[in-house]
Amino acid sequence: DVKVTQSSRYLVKRTGEKVFLECVQDMDHENMFWYRQDPGLGLRLIYFSYDVKMKEKGDIPEGYSVSREKKERFSLILESASTNQTSMYLCASSLIWGNTIYFGEGSWLTVV
Amino acid sequence: TQLLEQSPQFLSIQEGENLTVYCNSSSVFSSLQWYRQEPGEGPVLLVTVVTGGEVKKLKRLTFQFGDARKDSSLHITAAQPGDTGLYLCAGGEDKIIFGKGTRLHILP
Repeated sequence: DVKVTQSSRYLVKRTGEKVFLECVQDMDHENMFWYRQDPGLGLRLIYFSYDVKMKEKGDIPEGYSVSREKKERFSLILESASTNQTSMYLCASSLIWGNTIYFGEGSWLTVV
Repeated sequence: TQLLEQSPQFLSIQEGENLTVYCNSSSVFSSLQWYRQEPGEGPVLLVTVVTGGEVKKLKRLTFQFGDARKDSSLHITAAQPGDTGLYLCAGGEDKIIFGKGTRLHILP
C-alpha cells in the first residue's frame, strides 16, 4: 500500500512565524503535491513537484514555497504565516503524471 | 477548462436507505477516481474507473463510469453510519482536478 506521511497533524502558530510542513512518501513516486482544503472551496493545489529539486506553482502559490531535496520528501513552507492560511493541508503523491493521487492524513494548521 | 460537478452537495439519509451521488462533466476523461474523506482525515482512494460503461463494486458501493466517459455515479446500498463522509471524484490528464464533493451523513 502507498503510504504518505505528514509529520504534524495539528499545529498552532502565531502570525508572522515561519512554518514547515513535512511530507514523506514510501512508494518511489515521481510526483508530489501540496493542497489546502477549505469549506466550500474544495481542494486547491498550492505547489507540485515532478522530480527532485523541481517545483511548479499550482493555483494558489502566494504566501507559500516548497522544497524537494530528496525524491521521497516534499516540504511546504509558509515564510510568514497569516491568519488566512489557517486550513487543512494535504500532501499527496502519484507515480505517473495524470495518474491516481494518494493522500496523507492531513495537517490542521491554525494561525493565531 | 475541465470541471467536475458533484451532486448533491449534501445528503442526509436514514441508515438502511439506498442513495446515488453523481459526478458530471462536459469533458471526456480517460479515467475517474472516487475518494472518501472522513472528518479530520485525508481522502482515501476507493476506486478508479477507466472504461466507458464500466461498473465496479466495492461491497455495498457500486461505481459506474458513463459510456461517454464524461460522468460517473456512486450508488450505496443499505447505507450505514460508517459511510458518512465527503465523497470526492477526480480526474484529468495534464492536471488532476477534483469535484467539490458530496457530504453524506447517515443517520442511525
